[in-house]
Amino acid sequence: AQSVTQLGSHVSVSEGALVLLRCNYSSSVPPYLFWYVQYPNQGLQLLLKYTTGATLVKGINGFEAEFKKSETSFHLTKPSAHMSDAAEYFCALVSTGGFKTIFGAGTRLFVKA
Amino acid sequence: EAEVAQSPRYKITEKSQAVAFWCDPISGHATLYWYRQILGQGPELLVQFQDESVVDDSQLPKDRFSAERLKGVDSTLKIQPAELGDSAMYLCASSFQGENEKLFFGSGTQLSVL
Repeated sequence: AQSVTQLGSHVSVSEGALVLLRCNYSSSVPPYLFWYVQYPNQGLQLLLKYTTGATLVKGINGFEAEFKKSETSFHLTKPSAHMSDAAEYFCALVSTGGFKTIFGAGTRLFVKA
Repeated sequence: EAEVAQSPRYKITEKSQAVAFWCDPISGHATLYWYRQILGQGPELLVQFQDESVVDDSQLPKDRFSAERLKGVDSTLKIQPAELGDSAMYLCASSFQGENEKLFFGSGTQLSVL
């Protein structure tokens, strides 16, 4: 069975500091991996996705993630946090050949001035 | 940019009442999803449609929940009767092809059952 684990339900960083949100997955087949962001009282929107090819994926708003098969990880990073990055972030996977997106529990990012 | 439309935005109801949510996906998106998001958790798939057909409703509590997409376009999710534990955000999403395509989400319906 596929699953997604996000380490840390809350992460707090100072403005300008590195953002690192951790995601590990479990899948019996190579998955497609996604990061979504959710702002308060809104739906989710896609930040970036990994399907095949280059393991370092760049997304919107300066975020990027690296697929590491050996570590079954897909951590999200941003070099310098901005106040507008404060939101909830969800890691998700779709198993190849499947049609179901499975979400992690989410990590709420706080950005301090 | 085209958006997924959902209504109502908020719904307050008493337990044992019936509620219904509506979703209009992005034009041309064949796949439509209903997710439930409990506060502090990730979205959980309730039902997935491919055109007008249900392809996955394994997590839908069928004794009280029903969903339809009669013409393969917009969709309605109904709960009857509502229970206190149904309080959550109900999100609709659509995608063009389904498998590895990104999901486009609506803003959701926040349901409070009193």
